[in-house]
Amino acid sequence: DAGITQSPRHKVTETGTPVTLRCHQTENHRYMYWYRQDPGHGLRLIHYSYGVKDTDKGEVSDGYSVSRSKTEDFLLTLESATSSQTSVYFCAISTGTSRATDTQYFGPGTRLTVL
Amino acid sequence: GDSVTQMEGPVTLSEEAFLTINCTYTATGYPSLFWYVQYPGEGLQLLLKATKADDKGSNKGFEATYRKETTSFHLEKGSVQVSDSAVYFCALSDGTGFQKLVFGTGTRLLVSP
Repeated sequence: DAGITQSPRHKVTETGTPVTLRCHQTENHRYMYWYRQDPGHGLRLIHYSYGVKDTDKGEVSDGYSVSRSKTEDFLLTLESATSSQTSVYFCAISTGTSRATDTQYFGPGTRLTVL
Repeated sequence: GDSVTQMEGPVTLSEEAFLTINCTYTATGYPSLFWYVQYPGEGLQLLLKATKADDKGSNKGFEATYRKETTSFHLEKGSVQVSDSAVYFCALSDGTGFQKLVFGTGTRLLVSP
């Protein structure tokens, strides 16, 4: 399972509060990703990281920020949560460095509900 | 931009039936193609992949062939089991070097005994 954990696994919060989700990996992979999963949309990329302090935006980055101060941890922050951010959030890592080996492995997910 | 289109679900089959889930893609480069599976309450697991045209990915009786001429990567299995009930996602890796994935919307498969 590529040693990926996410915390918390479930969270209920109120509109306007800040929320931070954590992704932790144990195998020192360079690339890490945050996706959200919503019915009818599949998974959509929020942000990704290609190294410590190296991050970039994905398809649906508005309202989210990320940080990666250590190789093993990738944090996703909702500065002021809104109901539209109710979703299941998945972290992923990529094990390869070339097209021939690029495969992403996913964490177990965090179910976030914003009331 | 790149995109993936999957057939709408749910797909409902009886055990031992033949399965096809259609997937087509639009990409400007030469993507790698993937099928992921999500069992109820779990995260996504890689099912199979193909990295170039005419490659066939296979795993657990599932197969898919990378067809560049039809921009397709259809998932097939000759005889489904109840345990195959899950949501199946087709995806492509955009080949930029950051290995970002673009997913289809997913197809739910329900297999009855």
